[in-house]
Amino acid sequence: DTAVSQTPKYLVTQMGNDKSIKCEQNLGHDTMYWYKQDSKKFLKIMFSYNNKELIINETVPNRFSPKSPDKAHLNLHINSLELGDSAVYFCASSFGQGAYEQYFGPGTRLTVT
Amino acid sequence: DAKTTQPNSMESNEEEPVHLPCNHSTISGTDYIHWYRQLPSQGPEYVIHGLTSNVNNRMASLAIAEDRKSSTLILHRATLRDAAVYYCILRRWDKIIFGKGTRLHILP
Repeated sequence: DTAVSQTPKYLVTQMGNDKSIKCEQNLGHDTMYWYKQDSKKFLKIMFSYNNKELIINETVPNRFSPKSPDKAHLNLHINSLELGDSAVYFCASSFGQGAYEQYFGPGTRLTVT
Repeated sequence: DAKTTQPNSMESNEEEPVHLPCNHSTISGTDYIHWYRQLPSQGPEYVIHGLTSNVNNRMASLAIAEDRKSSTLILHRATLRDAAVYYCILRRWDKIIFGKGTRLHILP
């Protein structure tokens, strides 16, 4: 059984389009995250939600909007896609913040052409 | 703002211990030190974490300096499957800071 799943695995789209990436976890965790990994493999936190409340909101363009319908889901919607948005996006989940290990999803490779 | 500094890459022979260093001189009192690793085409995988004391688990050991400004991840007997990028991370409730990672090469 997959612990943290993301869909789609690959996403190829054109500049200016709007797209969503979905994330689901079946671990009963109360905190979920979105990370971006760029072409140099640097990982950076974008958002974290604890019990559906936004906790971390790094300096991400407001074209990116996370949505948490419930504790098991955290979706990422991106408006007006730009070339620089091309990256691998990882979802993760954990119990609480700070002291607990995170479980990562397999990643979604977004390519904007 | 806190940050972590790691060597870009390291090499080790198979079945020998590996010590992966991380500097985090601007760590704050509430920051936990986490280590994750990432195999090619996979999401990061938890290795170990600690706050002040040294920690051991089935995968590795974490040695934390007394002033907490540095830490070392220790793999006791490296295998080929340990070849990955290892990230040193500072975490607290409102902040997560990833280092740039150390690419570990294991020589058979």
